[in-house]
Amino acid sequence: GAVVSQHPSRVICKSGTSVKIECRSLDFQATTMFWYRQFPKQSLMLMATSNEGSKATYEQGVEKDKFLINHASLTLSTLTVTSAHPEDSSFYICSASTREGGTSGYTFGSGTRLTVV
Amino acid sequence: AQKVTQAQTEISVVEKEDVTLDCVYETRDTTYYLFWYKQPPSGELVFLIRRNSFDEQNEISGRYSWNFQKSTSSFNFTITASQVVDSAVYFCALSEARTGNQFYFGTGTSLTVIP
Repeated sequence: GAVVSQHPSRVICKSGTSVKIECRSLDFQATTMFWYRQFPKQSLMLMATSNEGSKATYEQGVEKDKFLINHASLTLSTLTVTSAHPEDSSFYICSASTREGGTSGYTFGSGTRLTVV
Repeated sequence: AQKVTQAQTEISVVEKEDVTLDCVYETRDTTYYLFWYKQPPSGELVFLIRRNSFDEQNEISGRYSWNFQKSTSSFNFTITASQVVDSAVYFCALSEARTGNQFYFGTGTSLTVIP
């Protein structure tokens, strides 16, 4: 089945530094990738949607200059948290959708737990 | 407005009991998809089921069963003879064809199965 590899699984960084999270579709072409954020004991909230080769679409309240998303190929999307602060500590998870979308399903990465100290 | 509502925040049951997790959704689309995911403490989302809006057949998979009722916009999930390994947070999610397959997650139900 379709597999999405997300790295790193855990990262601890100092406040003010930047962190890059990668999301790769291993055996299919992901026309669309979604990035979600989950605060402790809360639900997953969509941050942004990225289509290969175009700029990401951010949800209201998500700072596009802080959360840089690049979807340069059909198999790779990256989320960079710039100038991270402790309030950015969260669980970030990506999902990839094929062109068929709902009929063929979605695949989620295993998530990245970011801790900013 | 919340598109997916999971009214039960936390549930505790004793092992071997049956438990039903409720999910109510809201959409104006005629084509949509409903999902259930399990999230263990490690965080990854474990896919359990996908149901499209045109298929109201209930489904059973081992100890898991799902009851999809369009008339009440509900997609409830029952675990029969619960086990300690079932302890996790369970999310119900909706995807609408109109919004490009974006997921709308419910707030999750934390299930604890007590041995």
